[in-house]
Amino acid sequence: KAGVTQTPRYLIKTRGQQVTLSCSPISGHRSVSWYQQTPGQGLQFLFEYFSETQRNKGNFPGRFSGRQFSNSRSEMNVSTLELGDSALYLCASNDLARDKNTEAFFGQGTRLTVV
Amino acid sequence: AQSVAQPEDQVNVAEGNPLTVKCTYSVSGNPYLFWYVQYPNRGLQFLLKYITGDNLVKGSYGFEAEFNKSQTSFHLKKPSALVSDSALYFCAVRPTGGGNKLTFGTGTQLKVEL
Repeated sequence: KAGVTQTPRYLIKTRGQQVTLSCSPISGHRSVSWYQQTPGQGLQFLFEYFSETQRNKGNFPGRFSGRQFSNSRSEMNVSTLELGDSALYLCASNDLARDKNTEAFFGQGTRLTVV
Repeated sequence: AQSVAQPEDQVNVAEGNPLTVKCTYSVSGNPYLFWYVQYPNRGLQFLLKYITGDNLVKGSYGFEAEFNKSQTSFHLKKPSALVSDSALYFCAVRPTGGGNKLTFGTGTQLKVEL
């Protein structure tokens, strides 16, 4: 079974631009979550999608948004990029619908650098 | 609100010696607790979890963790450390009320030396 796939792996953007990151969950998983990892703030929860609906949201500004498609693939978008948005963005998928005790499986992440 | 504390930024241990990485948590209700490991420029890799039942949980690569409800702790242990265990370790908690929002600790860098 293929794992969680995130594309692209690396991205360099300029301040003020916008960016879209993609995540393909493990086949059959309907829950997809996004996290931001930075040296200063650590791992912070962005949002979670389940069956195309946002189920949970972290404390991030509205510039951060996401969506989930009917095949469970998810995208997150960051508009008007700031230098502080430079981070490793991690996606995780979970099969909570089948087993509420199951763990989340993470992708390799997308390293975003804003210059 | 839930929170996780990992009091040590770094733990150094000699290869072959036992290792402990500490974690305490705060959550209302019964917690789901997890340990993940991260190697440089990689995502998080699941090690083990506590959901319910036996307080000693065994996981991947010889790691285990002990759940202590009275001390609200979930320390990660391994009887004999390997140099290849050197990595960044994260403890996380998830509420039992549904959803998949993980709250992570700040991480502990484990360094195993020859």
